[in-house]
Parts: sequence; C-alpha cells; structure tokens
Amino acid sequence: QITLKESGPTLVKPTQTLTLTCTFSGFSLSTSGVGVGWIRQPPGKALKWLTLIYWDDDTRYSPSLKSRLTITKDTSKNQVVLTVTNMDPVDTATYYCAATSSGHGIDYWGQGMLVTVSS
Amino acid sequence: SYELTQPPSVSVSPGQTASITCSGDKLGDEYVCWYQQKPGQSPVLVIYQNRWRPSGIPERFSGSNSGNTATLTISGTQAMDEADYYCQAWDSSRIFGGGTKLTVL
Repeated sequence: QITLKESGPTLVKPTQTLTLTCTFSGFSLSTSGVGVGWIRQPPGKALKWLTLIYWDDDTRYSPSLKSRLTITKDTSKNQVVLTVTNMDPVDTATYYCAATSSGHGIDYWGQGMLVTVSS
Repeated sequence: SYELTQPPSVSVSPGQTASITCSGDKLGDEYVCWYQQKPGQSPVLVIYQNRWRPSGIPERFSGSNSGNTATLTISGTQAMDEADYYCQAWDSSRIFGGGTKLTVL
C-alpha cells in the first residue's frame, strides 16, 4: 500500500521560510521512473504544480516560483522536503505531497495540509 | 508563460455524455493527464498519456488530445461523477488547467 503524508507548520508569518516534509511508504525513490513532488491549492481555487524530484535527482520547478522553491530527497528515510522562502499571505494553501510511479501522471496523493500565512 | 484553459463549469444530465475541454498552445504535442477532485478530498488521476485509464477508473472515462485541445469525455455520466476536473500538461511545464466544475443534474 502506497501512502504519503505531509508534515510541518500549519501557520507561518510573512517573510518566513516554510519547510514541509513528505514521508512516504510503499515505494522507493531509488526506483527508475519514480518521482515525488508538491502541488498546492489555495482555498476554493485551482491546483498549482510546484516541484518534482525524480529517482535520478532530476528536479523540475514551476517557472513562476522557481526562485523561492527548493526540493530535496532522503532516499534512506523515504522523505522529500520542500522549502519555500519569503512566504506571503497569497501562499496560503493546502499543500499536497504526491508521487508519480511511472512518470506518466500523479498516481498517488497525500491527504494535504493547510498552511496559513498570517502575522 | 504557458497556460491551460478550461471552462469553469459544465452541466450534464444523468446518463448523458459530458465533455470537458482543455486548451493550450500546441497541447497536442504533449501528454495530458486528467484528475478528478471531490470536495474535501485529494485529486485522483483518471486519465494519463491523453487516453489511458489507471486501474480502477471506470470505462466511461476517456480522453483525447489533438491540435490545441485535449478533451475528457464521461459517457453515461453518473451522480458520483460530480466533481472538479483538472487537466495537466505532463511533459514540459506540468501546469494544471484552472479546473472545471462538473454538475450532474
């Protein structure tokens, strides 16, 4: 059974850096074709793809947010970490950790966690 | 920047066919995925590589992609299909469309 779970702060202040951890099980990020990434969704709005890291360390970022995002992986711990710098209230959203097992789409999603940016 | 455009809403009667479009420049040159999201739930992949269904997705879901438009078609729409649907261009930008709310009434 494949599961992904997001963890981290639910409230951050403007200008702070957000660090979220995705802990997954049921697959390995050292398997060819596998990638783990992040998607966010502001309340009542559309999904927005943020970033993805593949088994071979290839990383992809949303062009509009690339300067603020960093994704890293720890294969031994089955974890992927997202950092977002200079948080702003418009970054308030549910952040989803998600995985592609074959490189053809997001097969698996975490439950998501709401992160609120407010002073 | 690249954009994918979806109609905000589509309505369909039960048992009829619903079509949801996704438009983008030369979208037919990319693989497109479709996701279904019900209120309070995480999205679910319903179509990948334009037309393939993951295991467990009903046959009434189908997809196509040509030119500048990808289409998700739901045949014999059921009440349980009422949800938000998002397209995603997978190969290059991986961006999502703005989403379409499907209402079954």
